Amino acid sequence: DVKVTQSSRYLVKRTGEKVFLECVQDMDHENMFWYRQDPGLGLRLIYFSYDVKMKEKGDIPEGYSVSREKKERFSLILESASTNQTSMYLCASSSPLTGNTIYFGEGSWLTVV
Amino acid sequence: GESVGLHLPTLSVQEGDNSIINCAYSNSASDYFIWYKQESGKGPQFIIDIRSNMDKRQGQRVTVLLNKTVKHLSLQIAATQPGDSAVYFCAEKYSGNTPLVFGKGTRLSVIA
Repeated sequence: DVKVTQSSRYLVKRTGEKVFLECVQDMDHENMFWYRQDPGLGLRLIYFSYDVKMKEKGDIPEGYSVSREKKERFSLILESASTNQTSMYLCASSSPLTGNTIYFGEGSWLTVV
Repeated sequence: GESVGLHLPTLSVQEGDNSIINCAYSNSASDYFIWYKQESGKGPQFIIDIRSNMDKRQGQRVTVLLNKTVKHLSLQIAATQPGDSAVYFCAEKYSGNTPLVFGKGTRLSVIA
C-alpha cells in the first residue's frame, strides 16, 4: 500500500514563526503535492513538484515555499506564519504508474496564534 | 474561470437507501474525473475514477456517471451504510500534465 506520512498531526505556532511541514512517501513517486483544506473551500493546491529540485506554484502559493531535495520528501515552509494560515494541510503523491490517482497523507492541523 | 463545484453541500440519507452525490464541472477539456472520500480526521481516500471516454463505471457498491453534454458527474452509493458517512470530493483533471482540481465537497450523513 502507498504510504504518505506527514510528520506532525497537530501543531500550534506563534505569528511570525517559521514553520516546516514535512511529508515523506515510500512508493518512489515522482509527483508530490501540498494542499490546504478549509471548511467550505475544499482542497486548494499550494505547490507541487514533478521531480527532485523542481517545484511549481499551485493556486494559492502566497506565503508558502517548498523544498524537494530528495524524491521521497516534500517540505512545506511558512516563512512567517500568520493567523490566516491556520488550516489543515494535506500532502499527496502520485506517479505516472498510478495514473492520475493521487494518494494523501493524514493531514497536519496547524493553528497559528 | 474553470471550476469544479457541487450542487448539494450536505446530504442526509437513511441507512439502506441509495445515495447520489452530484458534481458540476466547467472545463470541457477535462479528461479524467475522480471521487475521494474523507472521513473525519483523516486524509481523502480514493473511491473511483472515470475517464472522459466513458459514461459509467462501477465499483463495489459505488457507481460513477459522467454526462459530458451537461458537464455533470455523480457518485451513486448503493445500500448506504453508517460507515459511508464522510465528506465526498470530486476532482477533475485538465488534459495534459496538470494537477487535479477539487470541488468543495459534500457531507454525507447516514441516519441509522
